[in-house]
Amino acid sequence: NAGVTQTPKFQVLKTGQSMTLQCAQDMNHNSMYWYRQDPGMGLRLIYYSASEGTTDKGEVPNGYNVSRLNKREFSLRLESAAPSQTSVYFCASSARPNPDTQYFGPGTRLTVL
Amino acid sequence: AQTVTQSQPEMSVQEAETVTLSCTYDTSESDYYLFWYKQPPSRQMILVIRQEAYKQQNATENRFSVNFQKAAKSFSLKISDSQLGDAAMYFCAYRSLNYGGSQGNLIFGKGTKLSVKP
Repeated sequence: NAGVTQTPKFQVLKTGQSMTLQCAQDMNHNSMYWYRQDPGMGLRLIYYSASEGTTDKGEVPNGYNVSRLNKREFSLRLESAAPSQTSVYFCASSARPNPDTQYFGPGTRLTVL
Repeated sequence: AQTVTQSQPEMSVQEAETVTLSCTYDTSESDYYLFWYKQPPSRQMILVIRQEAYKQQNATENRFSVNFQKAAKSFSLKISDSQLGDAAMYFCAYRSLNYGGSQGNLIFGKGTKLSVKP
């Protein structure tokens, strides 16, 4: 099992460009999450999907959209990237929304110039 | 809202020695989960140990153990026989049992950077 995979690993964007971060899990988990990690900070929740077909906002959703494409895949889209969105993005999944342990992907380092 | 505080930005330990990382949290809930995650330079977040608040017994995973003091809202991580591979950022995290909304998801502290000296 690959666990949770994320693409790309690195990305550089110019202000105003758009892009989609991809996440997939092969553990048959129901719930998936997107976090961002900024220097000196812990992870903060952007969006999550408790189950296929549902998505909800987390702590810092502004400037992002998500799609739960199917049970395996959960994408994060930046419609118009801003320098404040420079961060490391982590996708995670868990068997159930709560209180199951979350398992994380390797992260995507995004720089917005 | 719940908060998680890690008061030690950096810690250092000699190889084979024992080190304790501190974590305190604030909540009004009686049932919840607490976690320690390790983040090595590869950036992967790796679960180290998990504690259910309703359990009085402290969780243990090989060389890793916790000291869970519910009344004091303290959740420290002890690493015994430290190894070079233990060098990483360590994050303490809280998870409510409330289903629905972002309250059901992980709240992280800012992390402690652990260095292991050979």
